[in-house]
Amino acid sequence: DAGVTQSPTHLIKTRGQQVTLRCSPISGHKSVSWYQQVLGQGPQFIFQYYEKEERGRGNFPDRFSARQFPNYSSELNVNALLLGDSALYLCASSLRAGAYNEQFFGPGTRLTVL
Amino acid sequence: AQKVTQAQTEISVVEKEDVTLDCVYETRDTTYYLFWYKQPPSGELVFLIRRNSFDEQNEISGRYSWNFQKSTSSFNFTITASQVVDSAVYFCALSEADDYKLSFGAGTTVTVRA
Repeated sequence: DAGVTQSPTHLIKTRGQQVTLRCSPISGHKSVSWYQQVLGQGPQFIFQYYEKEERGRGNFPDRFSARQFPNYSSELNVNALLLGDSALYLCASSLRAGAYNEQFFGPGTRLTVL
Repeated sequence: AQKVTQAQTEISVVEKEDVTLDCVYETRDTTYYLFWYKQPPSGELVFLIRRNSFDEQNEISGRYSWNFQKSTSSFNFTITASQVVDSAVYFCALSEADDYKLSFGAGTTVTVRA
């Protein structure tokens, strides 16, 4: 079975632009979480979605938004990009909501903001 | 607030040496979950282990072993007879019972030299 997939792999944007990142969970998984990993740091939680509803949100500004589709895939949108948004964005899927469930991570999207 | 501290930034060993990674956590909950993840250069986080706060038994899986001590709020990870393929960044993470996020430590970079 395919693991978690993310697209694109790499992305370069300039300050002020908007970006959309995509994630497809493992088949049968209904929960998707997004994490931001700045170089040299651990991942930071952004959102968790379960059954198309937001179940948790981390300490990120409103410029960050996400949604989950009926097929459980998800998009993360970031508006008005800042240099500090440059990071690896990781998507994780799990069978159910709640971080205690085993989460399977995708390879990430590396975003560079110039 | 929950917090995970990995005091060791980098560890370098020669192949076949043992290496122990320290993890200290803080939480006010009595029910919580602890995790270890491996992040190879490809970037994808690989799940290694999950323990709940009521299970203090040490665990061994092949060359990997984990020592959970609630008295010192520590969940340390040992790689026995290290191999070059063990080179990666290792993250310790914590989730409280009703939470949707994993709180990661800053990670420890392990380099195993042949």
